[in-house]
Amino acid sequence: SYELTQPPSVPVSPGQTARITCSGDALPKKYAYWYQQKSGQAPVLVIYEDSKRPSGIPERFSGSSSGTMATLTISGAQVEDEADYYCYSTDSSGNQRVFGGGTKLTVL
Amino acid sequence: EVQLVESGGGLVQPGGSLRLSCAASGFTFSNYWMSWVRQAPGKGLEWVANIKQDGSEKYYVDSVKGRFTISRDNTKNSLYLQMNSLRAEDTAVYYCARRIRTDSSTYFDYWGQGTLVTVSS
Repeated sequence: SYELTQPPSVPVSPGQTARITCSGDALPKKYAYWYQQKSGQAPVLVIYEDSKRPSGIPERFSGSSSGTMATLTISGAQVEDEADYYCYSTDSSGNQRVFGGGTKLTVL
Repeated sequence: EVQLVESGGGLVQPGGSLRLSCAASGFTFSNYWMSWVRQAPGKGLEWVANIKQDGSEKYYVDSVKGRFTISRDNTKNSLYLQMNSLRAEDTAVYYCARRIRTDSSTYFDYWGQGTLVTVSS
């Protein structure tokens, strides 16, 4: 079955840049999407189609994709950005819809 | 404002059944694919099922095929998940999500707050 691999945790100091990666064999052909989930809350879409930002999402959130890796970048991380982040995509056939295992961003 | 409100969760014994509902508002419900996504306690997200705008196409993760049924009532702006033969591993928060599907893109853009299903004796 298809898998997306994320690091379990990423620490960052306030104001610094955090980068969260997501690797998957089909990412050269399929878009990556990123969700933020704060403790006890529903997920929120922060990046779609690799690099597009939905309205209302701060500009410090950006996305990129190269080869088999997609990256979520938070430039100037804030304390309120502390959350779990999940990437989402599909396999090359589009039949398997999967989330990465999630990355806990700690801002301290 | 898009709103998705789930209901119907609770405690059920293994082998039992439960029906989840999701009330949608703030958008034209009949124009969108809809989905259920779940999250086991302390675990990650798992896509469960999708349904097309008119209900003519339905897709499920392998682990729930034959046990869960997704449906919708566009006259009531509502999405449902009928869950039968429940197992302990189905214990999770179940989220209703609006699905965007284009020729090149598919994702969930809005989520409800979720409803907790606990399968235990």
